[in-house]
Amino acid sequence: QKEVEQDPGPLSVPEGAIVSLNCTYSNSAFQYFMWYRQYSRKGPELLMYTYSSGNKEDGRFTAQVDKSSKYISLFIRDSQPSDSATYLCAMSPTGNQFYFGTGTSLTVIP
Amino acid sequence: NAGVTQTPKFQVLKTGQSMTLQCAQDMNHNSMYWYRQDPGMGLRLIYYSASEGTTDKGEVPNGYNVSRLNKREFSLRLESAAPSQTSVYFCASSRQETGDEKLFFGSGTQLSVL
Repeated sequence: QKEVEQDPGPLSVPEGAIVSLNCTYSNSAFQYFMWYRQYSRKGPELLMYTYSSGNKEDGRFTAQVDKSSKYISLFIRDSQPSDSATYLCAMSPTGNQFYFGTGTSLTVIP
Repeated sequence: NAGVTQTPKFQVLKTGQSMTLQCAQDMNHNSMYWYRQDPGMGLRLIYYSASEGTTDKGEVPNGYNVSRLNKREFSLRLESAAPSQTSVYFCASSRQETGDEKLFFGSGTQLSVL
């Protein structure tokens, strides 16, 4: 079993829709949770960063962490064509280890 | 602020050739990493360096060597390239302090080995 599971999609939504992206994990030691956005032929860009459980909001983006269920989510409100990218979840316990999902490909159709 | 800078952006090698991928960060980060990204496999850690003067193997180190030249620079060397090393390579860095476990990536090197 992989440490982090992420549905690869692809996910296709109309402009303006609410998008929900999810990851599950098995290691209860994870404390730091991240979402990265990766455009085609570019490096992953840090989008959201959360420590422990709870919600964090930044503009149209909301990250949720439920440590009891070992489940994290990224919500995108009022999705735009510019949100079309691959979204990677990542997690870390303390230390030098980062564990990544394989990414979900999102297309927002105008 | 440039962040993490990688060179070259693209490279084509023949089997058996060698090359070095360069990486530099200007964020005064302690830790640096090399990942490879392949379709369906996600990001896999090749090597990392927790601090200047130290390096450790990651998930897929075979066929690669690294050098942490100083706090800013971390290079990845392919001594004898193989077609299985065709991939996109990303360098990353993090401050590595408790409560600040953020990882920042460079723009990548697309490597093809023929």
